[in-house]
Amino acid sequence: DTAVSQTPKYLVTQMGNDKSIKCEQNLGHDTMYWYKQDSKKFLKIMFSYNNKELIINETVPNRFSPKSPDKAHLNLHINSLELGDSAVYFCASSRSRPGLADRSYEQYFGPGTRLTVT
Amino acid sequence: EDKVVQSPLSLVVHEGDTVTLNCSYEVTNFRSLLWYKQEKKAPTFLFMLTSSGIEKKSGRLSSILDKKELFSILNITATQTGDSAVYLCAVESAGNTGKLIFGQGTTLQVKP
Repeated sequence: DTAVSQTPKYLVTQMGNDKSIKCEQNLGHDTMYWYKQDSKKFLKIMFSYNNKELIINETVPNRFSPKSPDKAHLNLHINSLELGDSAVYFCASSRSRPGLADRSYEQYFGPGTRLTVT
Repeated sequence: EDKVVQSPLSLVVHEGDTVTLNCSYEVTNFRSLLWYKQEKKAPTFLFMLTSSGIEKKSGRLSSILDKKELFSILNITATQTGDSAVYLCAVESAGNTGKLIFGQGTTLQVKP
């Protein structure tokens, strides 16, 4: 009965490789997010999709490409991995599109994917 | 630039103590402030505050927002070892995307 799930939980890979992280939510939410948490625990938004439409695209290298096949899934593909990409990547979802909804909705986070680039 | 600053960065207390965690923000078009608790994995939602002066409470945890002074506090009374975690404060800005901006977190360690 996991609400927001991510695979894999751990990913160790070498520089230059391409890898993907998958996220699924079974909460019926419309909006999904990718966050990056660095070694100092600082969480920073990368992307957000609402009903498969990209609505947030922060200053992220274009080696990172999100894809949302449907509103329950948001995947993150990373090309040409670099050492600085090592971090924990969290997926999250919320009930409605932030900013334009009539109220705020809390975001629910997945367990995270720890990516280590060697 | 929008920012959220939490203090202290870390805190060590003993069981039974009361702690106050601080969160100040500078965000254009404030919409809401959220508190999360992060243990080993996913941040879990604690509170959302949108109005000044109204306390949100859940058991031993409570939080209040001051929109005039641009800060929030999270109080934990009668702390337990299970309260040990990183506490994250985030602010949602209104507008087209309404993204969440997180603070750097406060690491709380509760010793038996």
